[in-house]
Amino acid sequence: AQKVTQAQTEISVVEKEDVTLDCVYETRDTTYYLFWYKQPPSGELVFLIRRNSFDEQNEISGRYSWNFQKSTSSFNFTITASQVVDSAVYFCALSEANRDDKIIFGKGTRLHILP
Amino acid sequence: DGGITQSPKYLFRKEGQNVTLSCEQNLNHDAMYWYRQDPGQGLRLIYYSQIVNDFQKGDIAEGYSVSREKKESFPLTVTSAQKNPTAFYLCASSMSRNTEAFFGQGTRLTVV
Repeated sequence: AQKVTQAQTEISVVEKEDVTLDCVYETRDTTYYLFWYKQPPSGELVFLIRRNSFDEQNEISGRYSWNFQKSTSSFNFTITASQVVDSAVYFCALSEANRDDKIIFGKGTRLHILP
Repeated sequence: DGGITQSPKYLFRKEGQNVTLSCEQNLNHDAMYWYRQDPGQGLRLIYYSQIVNDFQKGDIAEGYSVSREKKESFPLTVTSAQKNPTAFYLCASSMSRNTEAFFGQGTRLTVV
């Protein structure tokens, strides 16, 4: 079955610390897509990254990096040198290429960056 | 500017009334989605549509209805059959299957 688990409900770190948000997924397909979204207090979800199941290269974008490991079915997200503006709820999501095109979201991790 | 517009931002409904939430996109996307967000529940899929005049139920479709008469529009009706409609509703669209979805700003519905 299609499932996304974000075990960390809420995390608080002090500004400038690094923080990693965990995402574990379940799928029966060999072709699938993983996503991360950020939801700031305004409520609108902002797309951060999309990764397909055949591309296990880690991705870095500024202070953000993503570690995709098929062996452990994980797609973790690290923020380096965190800033107060990074405070938000972060969602990991999954869609399976050969099924019904749904995008399934995890329950999200609320991240607090303390000044 | 291209994007997704949801209206209204806040909506109040009396018990027993139907209410329709609007979602319009000018991104020329084929797929559109409705999600419901409750505290601690993440996003749950209500309905989705891949093409005009076709849509499928998501995980929590009971008490909701949709239509997709135009590519740009995907309105959601919350009917009186929905037992607990107070929530934050998010509409999204994507270019095609398995591409990233772009979201509107959401509608917060409160039953009074």
